[in-house]
Amino acid sequence: RKEVEQDPGPFNVPEGATVAFNCTYSNSASQSFFWYRQDCRKEPKLLMSVYSSGNEDGRFTAQLNRASQYISLLIRDSKLSDSATYLCVVNPTGNQFYFGTGTSLTVIP
Amino acid sequence: DAEITQSPRHKITETGRQVTLACHQTWNHNNMFWYRQDLGHGLRLIHYSYGVQDTNKGEVSDGYSVSRSNTEDLPLTLESAASSQTSVYFCASSETGSNQPQHFGDGTRLSIL
Repeated sequence: RKEVEQDPGPFNVPEGATVAFNCTYSNSASQSFFWYRQDCRKEPKLLMSVYSSGNEDGRFTAQLNRASQYISLLIRDSKLSDSATYLCVVNPTGNQFYFGTGTSLTVIP
Repeated sequence: DAEITQSPRHKITETGRQVTLACHQTWNHNNMFWYRQDLGHGLRLIHYSYGVQDTNKGEVSDGYSVSRSNTEDLPLTLESAASSQTSVYFCASSETGSNQPQHFGDGTRLSIL
């Protein structure tokens, strides 16, 4: 079983829509969680960390559900510039990170 | 501003050649990582280092080696390049601690013919 699994999509949504991605992880002892954004052929960039109580950064909300071992990312009022691949990242222990294969989002005018 | 740089950005080489990809960071991070990214696999860890003189194998380390002689650099060497190693390679660094995110270089696109 993979450490981290994501629905690859693609998700095609109109501007202004709300879209949510989920990501499941296999190691119940996982300590840290992140969402990264990756634009085509470029490096992954940190979008936000995911905290136990959930956290929000502008139009983006991240949630953690330890009981069901998944994290989610909600994007409200989608912009064209949100089109990218979103990577779920889990740090089970220590300093290693496991990346999901990514969920592709296209926001349509 | 602190940064992490990779070189070269693009490289084409032949099978059997030795290839070294450079990674240099000015964050003063102890942790450095090398990943490869291929369609359908996402990012896979090749090697990583928690500090000077420390190196560890990742998920897909066969055919690759690294060395860490100082804090700033973690060069990745392909001892004898194979076509299966054609990929995009990303270097990353992070501060010590499980809650510290990784910062990535721009990537190196390597083609082995």
